[in-house]
Parts: sequence; structure tokens; C-alpha cells
Amino acid sequence: DAKTTQPNSMESNEEEPVHLPCNHSTISGTDYIHWYRQLPSQGPEYVIHGLTSNVNNRMASLAIAEDRKSSTLILHRATLRDAAVYYCILRDRWGTGNQFYFGTGTSLTVIP
Amino acid sequence: EAGVVQSPRYKIIEKKQPVAFWCNPISGHNTLYWYRQNLGQGPELLIRYENEEAVDDSQLPKDRFSAERLKGVDSTLKIQPAELGDSAVYLCASSPKRTSYEQYFGPGTRLTVT
Repeated sequence: DAKTTQPNSMESNEEEPVHLPCNHSTISGTDYIHWYRQLPSQGPEYVIHGLTSNVNNRMASLAIAEDRKSSTLILHRATLRDAAVYYCILRDRWGTGNQFYFGTGTSLTVIP
Repeated sequence: EAGVVQSPRYKIIEKKQPVAFWCNPISGHNTLYWYRQNLGQGPELLIRYENEEAVDDSQLPKDRFSAERLKGVDSTLKIQPAELGDSAVYLCASSPKRTSYEQYFGPGTRLTVT
């Protein structure tokens, strides 16, 4: 399975937008891009996913580069509750292979 | 809708002792996953079940780890004997089917081996 590269940590001020980058240069045509986050002492939770087009939901937006080799998770207004580790994951659309390779993720700190 | 339930939440054992973790997935979810998460790392898949069949257990250390999912619902992960390096959080997740885009995770069991 293709792997992803994320910064180890990022900081954001509360109520400001946050752009979390992810590089996936070896992505295949059938790989979906998923984002999960893990709050302290909890299991990971789904945030958003996409294939080629940008996606929006109530939690965040996902911007996917035209060549699909990178993507950005956008939190429009960071709150203290958004402090978590964010994982960018590639997963084959047929659900084959290692289901999710989480990597080490990006630890987001939100500053009041 | 109840989420994924795991027990116990915390477990402390001495090395060479056995330990078991239990998971009750969301009702109707056919796919069940067990992950191990070491401190500062992301979760790593140990085993995946489709109903009662283990379809991906390539990362499960089979010399000491075993798992079962009787009747395709609840699942148990066992370690016997435990080693110091097994200290980690063990996460269970479920999804409606293999191709579902979302996995639902339980809170995990934190194992400490002394």
C-alpha cells in the first residue's frame, strides 16, 4: 500500500483556519484519501475522505491536488476540541490489502 | 446507536501471564478489526474479520497472539504469554463491510506488562 508523509506537529490559534498537509506521491488511481483524527485517550474517528474532487462536510474540507500526490485537510475555525493527532491514510477502493496504514500523523496543538 | 464496546479499559499484568481483550462491534457490522497502538505511533492492524472468518492476519504474532470471532459478532484477542513489549493500547474497530469508507473505533484497552 502507498504510504503518506505528514509533519509531526503543527500549531494553530483558536478560531483560525488550519491547513494540515499530506504527501502521497505513490498514490494509485484506485486509492481513496482518508483522514482520521484521534483525540487524547480515545480511538481514532473518521473525519473525511475523497478520491479526486475536493470534499466538504460538517467537520472539515479536503483539498486534493490535481495530480493527487498531495492533499490538505482544512479545519475552517480551529477550536480547543480539535486538538488531536490527525492521520492521512490511503486505502484501495476495494478494501483490499492492509486496510489502513496510519503512520505517525500530525499532532495539532490549538492555542487559546 | 451504541458504539464499539471494549473491555477492560485498563489491564496490568506481569510478564509471562495470559491476557484477553473483548470487543463488541456495532450491531450489523460484518467487518471487525483489531489494532495495536504503541506510544507515539499510529494504530497497526493485527487482524481483520469478515463475519467469523479471519481474512487478514498477516501482522498477528501467531506464536503468542490468538483471536476469535464466534458467530461473527463479538471478538476476543488473547496474548499468552505476555511480554514487556506487548505494552500498548489495543483497539477494536468495526465497519458495515470491507469496502465501507468509515471504521468505527472503540476506546481501546491499555495494557501494561510489568
